[in-house]
Amino acid sequence: EVELVESGGGLAQSGGSLRLSCAASGFTFSDYAMSWVRQIPGKGLEWVSGVSGSGSYTYYADSVKGRLTVSRDNSKNTLYLQVNSLRAEDTAIYYCAKNPYGSGTYPPDYWGQGTLVTVSS
Amino acid sequence: QSALTQPASVSGSPGQSITISCTGTSSDVGGYNYVSWYQHHPGKAPKLMIYDVTQRPSGVSNRFSGSKSGNTASLTISGLQAEDEADYYCSSYTSGSSLVFGGGTKVTVL
Repeated sequence: EVELVESGGGLAQSGGSLRLSCAASGFTFSDYAMSWVRQIPGKGLEWVSGVSGSGSYTYYADSVKGRLTVSRDNSKNTLYLQVNSLRAEDTAIYYCAKNPYGSGTYPPDYWGQGTLVTVSS
Repeated sequence: QSALTQPASVSGSPGQSITISCTGTSSDVGGYNYVSWYQHHPGKAPKLMIYDVTQRPSGVSNRFSGSKSGNTASLTISGLQAEDEADYYCSSYTSGSSLVFGGGTKVTVL
């Protein structure tokens, strides 16, 4: 059974940094691209980043390019998202999601339950 | 990349059918058959209900069906049940190496 468990969220200062993690199990992690999707409280879903199964290719939404860095450690079955220069508008639930293919930015097939990031000024 | 357009809310009585639309452009919904639909209960992980426009994952009720015409995809829920009350999101692959979601539709069972 596919399981995705996010961690690393919490209260952070504006201008600071945070690293989110996503522990994956139940599938061959390196065979699949992964995505990060966030949901601002009361709003819809917003894709922010993706990475290919090998980690060689990364993808970012224009709105976060330059501040977010996605990476993965296939030996640890773990996905990461480094968020720098935190802003109030980064306050959201961050979901880790598995893609159905090894590369590209296709709609995910499995999701974690999310980790809440709150940015305070 | 602009969000796909969904109605903010749709409602129906138990047993009725409802349809949620998802409108994009030829660069996303209209250009590819990679449209998915998700059911989301707040506080839980979103659940895949439809993928590749019309395909239903194993375990998803056949009361859920998907279709597409031009730049608009649709999700139909037949035989509406109380447990179907949730937020529903569409998503599409795009030509710009990104992923786009709809704004979400709140389904209410009257």
